[in-house]
Amino acid sequence: VQLVGSGGGLAQPGRSLRLSCAASGFDFEDFAMHWVRQVPGKGLEWVSGISWNSGTIAYADSVKGRFTISRDNAKYSFYLQMNSLRPEDTALYYCVKGYTLGVPGPPDYWGQGTLVTVSS
Amino acid sequence: QSVLTQPPSASGTPGQKVTISCSGSSSNIGTNSVNWYQQVPGTAPKLLIFNNNQRPSEVPYRCSGSKSGTSASLAISGLQSEDEAHYYCAAWDDSLNAWVFGGGTKLTVL
Repeated sequence: VQLVGSGGGLAQPGRSLRLSCAASGFDFEDFAMHWVRQVPGKGLEWVSGISWNSGTIAYADSVKGRFTISRDNAKYSFYLQMNSLRPEDTALYYCVKGYTLGVPGPPDYWGQGTLVTVSS
Repeated sequence: QSVLTQPPSASGTPGQKVTISCSGSSSNIGTNSVNWYQQVPGTAPKLLIFNNNQRPSEVPYRCSGSKSGTSASLAISGLQSEDEAHYYCAAWDDSLNAWVFGGGTKLTVL
């Protein structure tokens, strides 16, 4: 299993970033996928999850209405569109494979993370 | 403030058994399975226990999980220096419709 995140970087408050995660080594279309973030030195915060067929999508309250998760099974990839960014969104964003088809199944395999910094 | 509550730190000497607790509520641990993650500093988290007490094949038998009511615990026996890491519990929350994590416990091997 390999998950490679990209798209992180520096953004000003109020601007947008789009994270991507390229998956390989497993049948991508059979598993839910998640984004989980971590402020350096702090704990883990689940951000969003999407089921195998995009039929179920969920968000943490802290990002609801600003972030959008999506996936493209043909490209073995999933994404996180982050709009109206805030300084408190600054974190390392992990793309994570789910253990099952659905979002309530536990996140299991974690990629290495991509850093997002929101600052003026 | 995390939805699931863990002690911030735990410690033990090599060979000892250490237990880390995780407390939640009826909407998360009380209803759904608990999972545990290990994060060695500078690396991505790794799934240690899923469905309360199931181990991925690569996780040693020294690690075990249990759940009772709205609380869960992770036990590591035969403590080794390589066990020094942060440990996080997590569960799906039916009220929030979201995954929730504990604040993490830093395990120190003395």
